[in-house]
Amino acid sequence: KQEVTQIPAALSVPEGENLVLNCSFTDSAIYNLQWFRQDPGKGLTSLLLIQSSQREQTSGRLNASLDKSSGRSTLYIAASQPGDSATYLCAVSMIKAAVNKLTFGGGTRVLVKP
Amino acid sequence: NAGVTQTPKFQVLKTGQSMTLQCAQDMNHEYMSWYRQDPGMGLRLIHYSVGAGITDQGEVPNGYNVSRSTTEDFPLRLLSAAPSQTSVYFCASSRGQGTNQPQHFGDGTRLSIL
Repeated sequence: KQEVTQIPAALSVPEGENLVLNCSFTDSAIYNLQWFRQDPGKGLTSLLLIQSSQREQTSGRLNASLDKSSGRSTLYIAASQPGDSATYLCAVSMIKAAVNKLTFGGGTRVLVKP
Repeated sequence: NAGVTQTPKFQVLKTGQSMTLQCAQDMNHEYMSWYRQDPGMGLRLIHYSVGAGITDQGEVPNGYNVSRSTTEDFPLRLLSAAPSQTSVYFCASSRGQGTNQPQHFGDGTRLSIL
């Protein structure tokens, strides 16, 4: 059974510092991996999706890397801002025929202090 | 852009009552799924569908039924509500097999069972 872990569970940084969020998974035979953002009381917003054949994806200040062999993904957020405060979740999909069958990590709650 | 719409946003039920959580998407997505989010447990898959008329069980299906008679709608039914079903429920949708497209989530239904 796939297990996804995110450590730390919470993180507090001063504004301007780079954020590094970690995600690990036990079964390396993934189809893709997604990073989501969740604001309090809201649903999830997809930030980046990395296909199993890719090593990284970038969008603006966000960069996500994937190392399937070691079962790890890292989300980097450059020059953090107070508006980046949220919970960040990673999720993996195992099979092409059911890419909506996601296994989630527990999330990292981020606070960016002005 | 409506995206994924969940109704109601909040609901309080008594033990033993039944209800249906509604989920509709206007993006012509083939894939839809239901998750529940609980403190300390993260998001867990309840049921999912890869197209109209096709549904399957996720990690925690007991006590819930689903059907997918149209592409747009994917209702979740609680047959006899129990306090253990107190949770926040999220519906998600995405394009189909092989597209490697991100999941789109609704804003959730917050359900309390007394």
